[in-house]
Amino acid sequence: GQSLEQPSEVTAVEGAIVQINCTYQTSGFYGLSWYQQHDGGAPTFLSYNALDGLEETGRFSSFLSRSDSYGYLLLQELQMKDSASYFCAVRALMGYQLIWGAGTKLIIKP
Amino acid sequence: DTGVTQSPTHLIKTRGQQVTLRCSPISGHKSVSWYQQVLGQGPQFIFQYYEKEERGRGNFPDRFSARQFPNYSSELNVNALLLGDSALYLCASSLDTEAFFGQGTRLTVV
Repeated sequence: GQSLEQPSEVTAVEGAIVQINCTYQTSGFYGLSWYQQHDGGAPTFLSYNALDGLEETGRFSSFLSRSDSYGYLLLQELQMKDSASYFCAVRALMGYQLIWGAGTKLIIKP
Repeated sequence: DTGVTQSPTHLIKTRGQQVTLRCSPISGHKSVSWYQQVLGQGPQFIFQYYEKEERGRGNFPDRFSARQFPNYSSELNVNALLLGDSALYLCASSLDTEAFFGQGTRLTVV
C-alpha cells in the first residue's frame, strides 16, 4: 500500500523552531509537498521538493532525502498564527494527484 | 485572479439522495482534482481531470462521478448518499507542481 507517516501533534513555544517529519512509502515518487491548513480552511501550499536537499522560503524550509523516503518541514521564529495542521503529500504519479499524510497539529504556546 | 471557487459552501442532504458539487479553477489552469477530507484526516484523492479527460481515479465507489467542462470548471456527483459521505469536499486546480485549493463544500448527510 501507499502511506505517509507524520506525528499527530507537535507543541512549541512562540519564537522557537520546530521540525515536522514525514516518511513515505509509495509506489512512485515525483515530489513531496507541504500544506498548511487552519481549522475550517482550505489547504495552502507551502513548499515542494522534487530533488534531495533543502528548500528555503522565508521562515519555512523543507528538506527531502529520497534514499531515506524522508522529508521534514522546518518552521522558524514561530508565530501564534502558525498554529494549524501541516500535511505532507506525495505526488506519486505523473500528474497532479497527491497522496496525503494524516496531518500534524502544531500547537504554539506563548 | 479570483482563486478556486466552490459551490455551495455548505450542504445538508438525506441518506439516499444525490448531490452535485461545483468548482471553478483559477483562470488558465486546465487540471482540476477532487479530494474528500474527513474531520481529523488528510484529504483523500477522488478524481483528476485534465483537458476534460479523466486522468486519475482514487479508491472510491462508482457512486462518485465527475466531469470537466470546456471552460475547465468541474462537477462532482455523488449518488445514493451514505452517512459516511459526510466530509469536506475540496477542489484543487493546478498548473505545475503547486495545487491551489478552494474553500471546499461541507457536506452533511443525515
